[in-house]
Amino acid sequence: KAGVTQTPRYLIKTRGQQVTLSCSPISGHRSVSWYQQTPGQGLQFLFEYFSETQRNKGNFPGRFSGRQFSNSRSEMNVSTLELGDSALYLCASSAPGRQGTQYFGPGTRLLVL
Amino acid sequence: GNSVTQMEGPVTLSEEAFLTINCTYTATGYPSLFWYVQYPGEGLQLLLKATKADDKGSNKGFEATYRKETTSFHLEKGSVQVSDSAVYFCALSDASGANSKLTFGKGITLSVRP
Repeated sequence: KAGVTQTPRYLIKTRGQQVTLSCSPISGHRSVSWYQQTPGQGLQFLFEYFSETQRNKGNFPGRFSGRQFSNSRSEMNVSTLELGDSALYLCASSAPGRQGTQYFGPGTRLLVL
Repeated sequence: GNSVTQMEGPVTLSEEAFLTINCTYTATGYPSLFWYVQYPGEGLQLLLKATKADDKGSNKGFEATYRKETTSFHLEKGSVQVSDSAVYFCALSDASGANSKLTFGKGITLSVRP
C-alpha cells in the first residue's frame, strides 16, 4: 500500500498570504489528522477529520482550517500567514477502529518570510 | 488534560551501548502508548505501541512496557547502532477511542557514534 502523501513538500510564503496544504491518506483510512511541528512547541495537534467531518480540534486560531473530501483526501488552509506559522506540517491517517495508531506523511515544510 | 513528559536531551552514545529513554504520562482513563521515531528530513514512523497495562511493545530491538502503576513507558534497546540516530517521541492517544488525537512529548535526539 502506498503511504501517506503530502504536497507540496516545501513552500515559501510571505506574511499576510494564505496557503493550502494537501494530504492523501493510506487507502482505506478514513481519519486524517494534522499536526504542526516547531522547534519551540514540538508537535501540536491541529485537527482531525473523519468521513468529511471535523471530529476534534486543537488550540489554534481560526486562521487554521481544514476539510476532507469524499475520497478521504484532506486539505488544510492557513490564512493571513504570520512569521510564527513557519513549521513542518504533518498529516497522519488511521484505519477504522484503530484510531490511536497513526501513520504519518513526510510533511510540508512552510517558511513564512 | 493529557500530557507526556520525556527526559531532557540530547543523548549521545557509542555504538553497542545500552539505551534507555524515559517517558511518563498523565491521562484520564487507559490510553494507548506509542513511541515514534523521526529520521532527518522525514515524517514520523511508528516504532512500537502498547494498548493496555503490562503490555510490552517491541520492534527492531527496541522495547517498552506499559506501566500503569508508575504511569511510564520507557524505551530501551540493548545495543544501539549508528542507524538508530534520530529523534524519538513518546505519545499517548485519547483514552476514549473516539478520535485519533495523539499527545506527544517534546522528543529527544539520539546520536550514536561509531
